[in-house]
Amino acid sequence: GAGVSQSPSNKVTEKGKDVELRCDPISGHTALYWYRQRLGQGLEFLIYFQGNSAPDKSGLPSDRFSAERTGESVSTLTIQRTQQEDSAVYLCASSFPYEQFFGPGTRLTVL
Amino acid sequence: AQSVSQHNHHVILSEAASLELGCNYSYGGTVNLFWYVQYPGQHLQLLLKYFSGDPLVKGIKGFEAEFIKSKFSFNLRKPSVQWSDTAEYFCAVKEGGATNKLIFGTGTLLAVQP
Repeated sequence: GAGVSQSPSNKVTEKGKDVELRCDPISGHTALYWYRQRLGQGLEFLIYFQGNSAPDKSGLPSDRFSAERTGESVSTLTIQRTQQEDSAVYLCASSFPYEQFFGPGTRLTVL
Repeated sequence: AQSVSQHNHHVILSEAASLELGCNYSYGGTVNLFWYVQYPGQHLQLLLKYFSGDPLVKGIKGFEAEFIKSKFSFNLRKPSVQWSDTAEYFCAVKEGGATNKLIFGTGTLLAVQP
């Protein structure tokens, strides 16, 4: 079946602009995760959605970052007033129940 | 805070050589352990996982990993690597309990020379 998809695959933006990244999880997966991978570093947890429970936002690096998920479907990660240090690959994963399946990522470049 | 350490950042091997990639974690409670692999140009995918039971876990493509609780380690092994094993390998830990978030190591880039 279809895997996790993310769009756009690449995004170049100017410092100070807002960006929105999209994730389409595998149908039926109740959990959805966002991670960030900066160059030369491991994956950094950002936020986790589980069904209708309140999301675990403990990994969001600042209040410029926010994410939403409608039910058990699409999620969007929004970064406001982007900074150069936000440049990274943003990965989305979904799971049911434990194994996380990753999307291809969105490569964000902030000039 | 829980952390995961992968001490080998870049490993170069010849085909047929044996592989062992180290992974140590800091959490003292119940953990679930994972190795993920990212082949060039592809998504991250699960190689193997440990939840409970036999501490020697077999994964895909001939990989295995051993959970040694006393050493807080979950090292990845393969007796004979192939050129197609060239990839980046990530160790990850999930704390026991309600959260399902994974804590990842920084990754090990493996290059296998033909």
